[in-house]
Amino acid sequence: AQRVTQPEKLLSVFKGAPVELKCNYSYSGSPELFWYVQYSRQRLQLLLRHISRESIKGFTADLNKGETSFHLKKPFAQEEDSAMYYCALDTGTASKLTFGTGTRLQVTL
Amino acid sequence: DVKVTQSSRYLVKRTGEKVFLECVQDMDHENMFWYRQDPGLGLRLIYFSYDVKMKEKGDIPEGYSVSREKKERFSLILESASTNQTSMYLCASRDRTEAFFGQGTRLTVV
Repeated sequence: AQRVTQPEKLLSVFKGAPVELKCNYSYSGSPELFWYVQYSRQRLQLLLRHISRESIKGFTADLNKGETSFHLKKPFAQEEDSAMYYCALDTGTASKLTFGTGTRLQVTL
Repeated sequence: DVKVTQSSRYLVKRTGEKVFLECVQDMDHENMFWYRQDPGLGLRLIYFSYDVKMKEKGDIPEGYSVSREKKERFSLILESASTNQTSMYLCASRDRTEAFFGQGTRLTVV
């Protein structure tokens, strides 16, 4: 069965420091990976998907099939990046998304 | 431009009550989902639907049922609410590129 693992519940960094939110997945087929973000008092929304290969709000994520990872990175954290981040896996079964447990990113001055 | 709307932000219900959570989307999506969100557990899929009157169990369907009579509406039903169903419930609909979420319903069962 598919699984998404986010090992850190909380990641605290200083403003301007690099950020890396870890995500590992288990799935034997060809996955689609996503990062979703939930800012305080807002609804969950898509941040980026690996197929689009784009940078959103300075964040990037590379799918590494050998390591089954899809880590989210940003070179310089900003206060407004503080939020809950979820990694998600789509195995193509009726477009069902499997989510990880989430990592809370806290950016402090 | 709200796309997925859940009928209630907050609900308080008594143990044993039958509870209905409603979700409506205006994007003509075929696929709709109900998740519950709990701290430390992330989002767990309860049920999903890929067409009108079609439904499939997710990872934690026990104690829940769903109804999809119209394409735009997906309802989650707690047949007999229990305290361990106190949680945040999220509805979503999606196309091939993105899932859109509702604002969530925080349900408290007392």
